[in-house]
Amino acid sequence: GAGVSQTPSNKVTEKGKYVELRCDPISGHTALYWYRQSLGQGPEFLIYFQGTGAADDSGLPNDRFFAVRPEGSVSTLKIQRTERGDSAVYLCASSLIGLGAGGNTEAFFGQGTRLTVV
Amino acid sequence: AQSVTQPDIHITVSEGASLELRCNYSYGATPYLFWYVQSPGQGLQLLLKYFSGDTLVQGIKGFEAEFKRSQSSFNLRKPSVHWSDAAEYFCAGGGSSNTGKLIFGQGTTLQVKP
Repeated sequence: GAGVSQTPSNKVTEKGKYVELRCDPISGHTALYWYRQSLGQGPEFLIYFQGTGAADDSGLPNDRFFAVRPEGSVSTLKIQRTERGDSAVYLCASSLIGLGAGGNTEAFFGQGTRLTVV
Repeated sequence: AQSVTQPDIHITVSEGASLELRCNYSYGATPYLFWYVQSPGQGLQLLLKYFSGDTLVQGIKGFEAEFKRSQSSFNLRKPSVHWSDAAEYFCAGGGSSNTGKLIFGQGTTLQVKP
């Protein structure tokens, strides 16, 4: 597709379960980002991939959160032992090059995955 | 610490009136700055961006923003608001350290009165 695609659009899970959220970036985009948006708040940075590697994972809240991008395209955000506080909209974005790489570029966002932990 | 602040949580304007949404940033070096709009149930759509050069940038839907280093501001403006502009607006910024991280403000909800 032409834009960033995230699946599923909605996910309801029980506390303590494991979930995976998928992101398909725009073809050819080397940079991929995950953000988390809680109700009434701005998106909060989680992790940034440049190619296959995590260039900055300083936003991951704890070791229950993990993300991969094994082939430099699709990324999966994994959350173990989910807690009610993990409920939020998880946004994925991609850009042609990294936003801080010195070029004039922009991040395109997907529609997000709404995660609800009950 | 790097930060982006949107002082106004909620703004109401009449249709046809002018609009200014405030954004203040705190960065050591010249930041790159963005304004995004988010309608209910929709993703974030980029309105405009500033990296360098001309401090007055034009965006889509008739929006513009001006980068003022002396005031650490990047306010969004529109001369005449349309009812369809009602949405949540986010200012976001990043530094030149190549982390790729964007820091978002809390957002401003715009309500448009008929």
